[in-house]
Amino acid sequence: AQSVTQPDIHITVSEGASLELRCNYSYGATPYLFWYVQSPGQGLQLLLKYFSGDTLVQGIKGFEAEFKRSQSSFNLRKPSVHWSDAAEYFCAVGHSGNTGKLIFGQGTTLQVKP
Amino acid sequence: DAGVIQSPRHEVTEMGQEVTLRCKPISGHNSLFWYRQTMMRGLELLIYFNNNVPIDDSGMPEDRFSAKMPNASFSTLKIQPSEPRDSAVYFCASSTGTPNQPQHFGDGTRLSIL
Repeated sequence: AQSVTQPDIHITVSEGASLELRCNYSYGATPYLFWYVQSPGQGLQLLLKYFSGDTLVQGIKGFEAEFKRSQSSFNLRKPSVHWSDAAEYFCAVGHSGNTGKLIFGQGTTLQVKP
Repeated sequence: DAGVIQSPRHEVTEMGQEVTLRCKPISGHNSLFWYRQTMMRGLELLIYFNNNVPIDDSGMPEDRFSAKMPNASFSTLKIQPSEPRDSAVYFCASSTGTPNQPQHFGDGTRLSIL
């Protein structure tokens, strides 16, 4: 069965420092992968997605993610974190059925220290 | 373009009352998803529809919960009777229904049952 694991429930980084949020997936075929961000009191917003081609994908707000098939990972990165990046981040994989269902990870809460 | 529209944004009611949450998906999207989010349980998929037909309602917590999609542009999630443990943020999302396309989320309904 498909699954997504985000090993880190909570991460704290200093403003200006680099960030990497981990995501591991379990899926037999080529996965469709997504990262979402949820700011307090808001819905989930798509940051970026991967479904084929270049394994390094660029997203909004300066985020990027790298797909590594050998490691079953799709980690999210940002070179320099801003205080406004404090939020919850969700990794998701597209379900194999043709309905658009996504399997979400548990989420990682990012705290940014001044 | 209008995104997913949910109403109301906030609902406060007493236990035992009927609660109806509403969702208008993005025009042209074939799939619609209802989620519930709490601190304790995180983001849970309750039910989803494809072409107005319920595909999987295994996430619906109990018979007090019901959902309908009478047409492609409207869906409701109903709780009757409501209980305090139903207090949560309820999200609606829609997508084109293909696995490589993201879901688009509404801003959610914050439900408080007193």
